[in-house]
Amino acid sequence: QKEVEQNSGPLSVPEGAIASLNCTYSDRGSQSFFWYRQYSGKSPELIMSIYSNGDKEDGRFTAQLNKASQYVSLLIRDSQPSDSATYLCAVWNPGGFKTIFGAGTRLFVKA
Amino acid sequence: DGGITQSPKYLFRKEGQNVTLSCEQNLNHDAMYWYRQDPGQGLRLIYYSQIVNDFQKGDIAEGYSVSREKKESFPLTVTSAQKNPTAFYLCASSIGTVNTEAFFGQGTRLTVV
Repeated sequence: QKEVEQNSGPLSVPEGAIASLNCTYSDRGSQSFFWYRQYSGKSPELIMSIYSNGDKEDGRFTAQLNKASQYVSLLIRDSQPSDSATYLCAVWNPGGFKTIFGAGTRLFVKA
Repeated sequence: DGGITQSPKYLFRKEGQNVTLSCEQNLNHDAMYWYRQDPGQGLRLIYYSQIVNDFQKGDIAEGYSVSREKKESFPLTVTSAQKNPTAFYLCASSIGTVNTEAFFGQGTRLTVV
């Protein structure tokens, strides 16, 4: 089992719809969770971080964390074509003292 | 402007050559990291450093070496022992290594010719 798993996609949604991206992790001791956006050929940029159970909203983005289910998700409301990118889920592992990245989910927003 | 600068953006290596990728940050971050990304895959940690003059191996350190002589700089050398070095290399930094977000440079794309 991979330490951080994401559906590779591609996930295709129409413009204006809600895009839902999911991530599961294997280490119950994980404490910090991050979502990065990566455009093709570019480096990842941080868009959300979440540390406690529940929802965290920032503009059109909402991160959701459920530690009991070892599940973290990212919702993008009113999706725009400019949101088309690969979204990387990252989990900080205190045991290994490092951040572990998932392989990413490719999102396409159709105009 | 504060940030992380990687150079060069593109690098070509001949078989048997060592090459060094540069990474400089002016964010006053203590921790720095090197990741490798292959097509369709996530980021894999090569080396990381929490303080000057100290660094630890990540998951795929074989064939790579680093140094951390200054807080601002964390160069990565891809040695001839790395048999499949063609990849996108990303340098990142964070305030510390505990629970903190990482910020990335623009990356170096290395190709073996």
